[in-house]
Amino acid sequence: DGGITQSPKYLFRKEGQNVTLSCEQNLNHDAMYWYRQDPGQGLRLIYYSQIVNDFQKGDIAEGYSVSREKKESFPLTVTSAQKNPTAFYLCASSINREGLSDTQYFGPGTRLTVL
Amino acid sequence: AQKITQTQPGMFVQEKEAVTLDCTYDTSDPSYGLFWYKQPSSGEMIFLIYQGSYDQQNATEGRYSLNFQKARKSANLVISASQLGDSAMYFCAMSGSLYKLSFGAGTTVTVRA
Repeated sequence: DGGITQSPKYLFRKEGQNVTLSCEQNLNHDAMYWYRQDPGQGLRLIYYSQIVNDFQKGDIAEGYSVSREKKESFPLTVTSAQKNPTAFYLCASSINREGLSDTQYFGPGTRLTVL
Repeated sequence: AQKITQTQPGMFVQEKEAVTLDCTYDTSDPSYGLFWYKQPSSGEMIFLIYQGSYDQQNATEGRYSLNFQKARKSANLVISASQLGDSAMYFCAMSGSLYKLSFGAGTTVTVRA
């Protein structure tokens, strides 16, 4: 089955620790995205990558880092510099076709809690 | 800059009835796309429907239809014949020149039996 997987589903972190959230897709999509969702709010873009070995900052990139070494994988590291990392993190991917109808498909999400 | 506004934080609808979720937007991009997503309590975002700014007809996908009024900058989602499984949070989103999505704050829909 084609889709997007995220692991772990739940993650607990102590203050001062870096943690890495995994995102893998087997849809053969070129573009991948990371979003953050806080309770009762919409999604905010952290980073996105339109092609392997290239990525751009989104609206709230401070305290986060990413890599895109493989087409299928786009891991997100939440660093100790992120002041308030407790949130729900969603990964998405899209074909990255020209035009505006490039639908993003989402993974099941990772819920990060800082203890 | 793009902005999406969803003014209804929560709505109740009776099973088998239709419900309309409001979405207004603001953008300076001449071309844009509008999306609706459903987020059940499990958290995953499920794509429902897409409307391009230059599409002549309103989009429909099964029980979902998008009431697009360009002059009013609105893109309301209509869910017909509501089912208990439609209870979820619904997000309106927009893509523009930068090919990234901007999301509204969402509307929670609760379907009553």
